[in-house]
Amino acid sequence: AQKITQTQPGMFVQEKEAVTLDCTYDTSDPSYGLFWYKQPSSGEMIFLIYQGSYDQQNATEGRYSLNFQKARKSANLVISASQLGDSAMYFCAMRERGRSGGYQKVTFGIGTKLQVIP
Amino acid sequence: NAGVMQNPRHLVRRRGQEARLRCSPMKGHSHVYWYRQLPEEGLKFMVYLQKENIIDESGMPKERFSAEFPKEGPSILRIQQVVRGDSAAYFCASSPTGAADGYTFGSGTRLTVV
Repeated sequence: AQKITQTQPGMFVQEKEAVTLDCTYDTSDPSYGLFWYKQPSSGEMIFLIYQGSYDQQNATEGRYSLNFQKARKSANLVISASQLGDSAMYFCAMRERGRSGGYQKVTFGIGTKLQVIP
Repeated sequence: NAGVMQNPRHLVRRRGQEARLRCSPMKGHSHVYWYRQLPEEGLKFMVYLQKENIIDESGMPKERFSAEFPKEGPSILRIQQVVRGDSAAYFCASSPTGAADGYTFGSGTRLTVV
């Protein structure tokens, strides 16, 4: 079963507008964490934002915020005031316990390609 | 303060050759994770290692793939007798503990099998 689902293969947004990238997850572990990573065309993985399952408030990092809706198991990324440099692949990911306990594995979604239009 | 260093950045191998991918974790990080990213896909977990130990290799193909993280030196992902389907980007991440919160990724090695 898919643990991380990203249903938007591609998104377009006008420069300076806000955009929401969707992510839903599936876990029975009460303690988990959710990440968003950006992968530009150069290929590196850039950490954007993290939300722990027990965090009371939605995570924010500059222009990035995570709309965490625990009951719906969704962790959407909101990018405000889009810039041309935001054009990239965006991956939602979840940390989960590995075989020997502890948080050892991060499971990734298939990604959303965001293109910012001037 | 170097981040996670992966080399080579690009690697071309002919079918049947061996590929060796290296990963030097961040200073103070003793936990290393390898991921594979096939074209147009997300990253898939392969293996988790601590110094001299393989903790979880549930994502590693049963044949031709092996990984190590010796007491001294980088972690090595080794692919024997490469096939075209092994062409992918291989990412290494390290963390100071077993928790994934402190994950730092390297820039990846892009393997092309011709």
